[in-house]
Amino acid sequence: GESVGLHLPTLSVQEGDNSIINCAYSNSASDYFIWYKQESGKGPQFIIDIRSNMDKRQGQRVTVLLNKTVKHLSLQIAATQPGDSAVYFCAENRAGGTSYGKLTFGQGTILTVHP
Amino acid sequence: GAGVSQSPSNKVTEKGKDVELRCDPISGHTALYWYRQRLGQGLEFLIYFQGNSAPDKSGLPSDRFSAERTGESVSTLTIQRTQQEDSAVYLCASSLQAGAGANVLTFGAGSRLTVL
Repeated sequence: GESVGLHLPTLSVQEGDNSIINCAYSNSASDYFIWYKQESGKGPQFIIDIRSNMDKRQGQRVTVLLNKTVKHLSLQIAATQPGDSAVYFCAENRAGGTSYGKLTFGQGTILTVHP
Repeated sequence: GAGVSQSPSNKVTEKGKDVELRCDPISGHTALYWYRQRLGQGLEFLIYFQGNSAPDKSGLPSDRFSAERTGESVSTLTIQRTQQEDSAVYLCASSLQAGAGANVLTFGAGSRLTVL
């Protein structure tokens, strides 16, 4: 079923450190895996996506890694800044059926960056 | 418009009253979602519209909740006989329907509902 977040996991890092946020997924049929960032009081914003036939994709200061063997997705943020403090959600784009193209969000992780 | 617009931004209502929340998606976006987010928690999927297909209503928590979408434009989420546990931020998002474009949801700022 859909994910309903309760007591979101947290990650605290020092400014300048690298952050790694993890996500486990269950559907091997997903076409894409996506990361979103939600700052306080705002709606989530798209960060980066990766197609299921890839294992790594880099953006600006962010890298997404996909391990299909263990169904694991991670988001690495280099040189984390206080402005990176937010809730990070992973999502899957599941193909097929009547809900083609529908995104399903994971639980979310709270990232806090200390100056 | 340039983004997803939701109204009202804040709604305070009394238990038992009905409320309507409105979402204006980005023009040309055929997919539209409603999510509920309680304070400090994750995104709870409610309903998904894609083009002219039958909506995916699998996330609606009870028959007090319903949503409609007019063509590929405005959507309204209706909550009847509101309960205190309905208090949350209701987020609307839209996207292109298929392919990689479907990965990029644009969210509205949300409608904060408080049921007294």
